[in-house]
Amino acid sequence: EAQVTQNPRYLITVTGKKLTVTCSQNMNHEYMSWYRQDPGLGLRQIYYSMNVEVTDKGDVPEGYKVSRKEKRNFPLILESPSPNQTSLYFCASSFTAAGELFFGEGSRLTVL
Amino acid sequence: ILNVEQSPQSLHVQEGDSTNFTCSFPSSNFYALHWYRWETAKSPEALFVMTLNGDEKKKGRISATLNTKEGYSYLYIKGSQPEDSATYLCAPLAGGNNRLAFGKGNQVVVIP
Repeated sequence: EAQVTQNPRYLITVTGKKLTVTCSQNMNHEYMSWYRQDPGLGLRQIYYSMNVEVTDKGDVPEGYKVSRKEKRNFPLILESPSPNQTSLYFCASSFTAAGELFFGEGSRLTVL
Repeated sequence: ILNVEQSPQSLHVQEGDSTNFTCSFPSSNFYALHWYRWETAKSPEALFVMTLNGDEKKKGRISATLNTKEGYSYLYIKGSQPEDSATYLCAPLAGGNNRLAFGKGNQVVVIP
């Protein structure tokens, strides 16, 4: 089954404790992206990747890191999480930047 | 960052009624326009990807039109059903850009 898998789905953590949200897709997509969703705001892009070893900042990259060592995986790293990173995070992938996005199920993160 | 306006922000529709809403975006340097459907507690799913001025696409009772010259797209729901209750997101892509810009969405509640 074609899918984008994120883990963890839910996480409560404390300020400053490094965490990684994993994202994996099985569709051989070149393009992968991370978004955050906050009340009253649209989906905002954090980082995206056009292909292996090619990543770039989105609209709200501060406080996040990503890597793309393999085509299928695109982890989101919060080196020192802060309460303003409490949000619902979505990973998505597509064949190209213009192609329809396939979203993961979302990861709800709370930073205390 | 592209300025994307979706209106109305929310609407309640009686079951069986038809409805429509608007996505406005900058017309210059247009490349593509995506529509996604996002049900509560689920992840966004692609409805349409549109690229040509005058394009019209249909999926069941939902259809969309595109005017790239004036920078807007309409989404129509014919004979609304409770299962159409969702937030509908539009996301234009500008030429030479690798990032979709999501609007805040049109939240639709269909009242049985």
